[in-house]
Amino acid sequence: GNSVTQMEGPVTLSEEAFLTINCTYTATGYPSLFWYVQYPGEGLQLLLKATKADDKGSNKGFEATYRKETTSFHLEKGSVQVSDSAVYFCALSLNTGNQFYFGTGTSLTVIP
Amino acid sequence: EAQVTQNPRYLITVTGKKLTVTCSQNMNHEYMSWYRQDPGLGLRQIYYSMNVEVTDKGDVPEGYKVSRKEKRNFPLILESPSPNQTSLYFCASSLYRGKQETQYFGPGTRLLVL
Repeated sequence: GNSVTQMEGPVTLSEEAFLTINCTYTATGYPSLFWYVQYPGEGLQLLLKATKADDKGSNKGFEATYRKETTSFHLEKGSVQVSDSAVYFCALSLNTGNQFYFGTGTSLTVIP
Repeated sequence: EAQVTQNPRYLITVTGKKLTVTCSQNMNHEYMSWYRQDPGLGLRQIYYSMNVEVTDKGDVPEGYKVSRKEKRNFPLILESPSPNQTSLYFCASSLYRGKQETQYFGPGTRLLVL
């Protein structure tokens, strides 16, 4: 079936540290891949996306590359800030565009 | 302001008492969807709607109903709530159905069923 697997959290980093959150997927066809972020007490909002293999999504210093050969979409940021503390969700959407599948979320805390 | 609104934000109810959670968007979006968020399980899709009067089941539709009589509204109905429906619920919308479309999420409704 279709699914998304994210690395277990929580993750705690010091300010300016390098961040990687792993995401792998299983899907039929060629899905689109997304990273959504959820700040405390809020709904999810799109962080970045990639719609085909080898595409790189980027936003606010975060990047992720759609790797079809490894079925992965790992999230990276070179230097995290306290304001990046949130829960990050990897997600995929299938060709039909009707259904979406989310990972379990990874909680990130950045300490000064 | 473009947004997705949900009401109520918090709800405590008892088993078997019918309830409705409303969702409304002011962006003229065609596609709308409901999710539930549970610890360790992430978000799971309950129902979605591709347009007015067009709805379909997601991964976890049991115990839920939806309707889409107007483009802007997509209420979630629990006809006989049970404790296993205690969860955080999110409504989302996107301009069109499509795998590359960005979804816009509401602020969430936290439901406790006793």
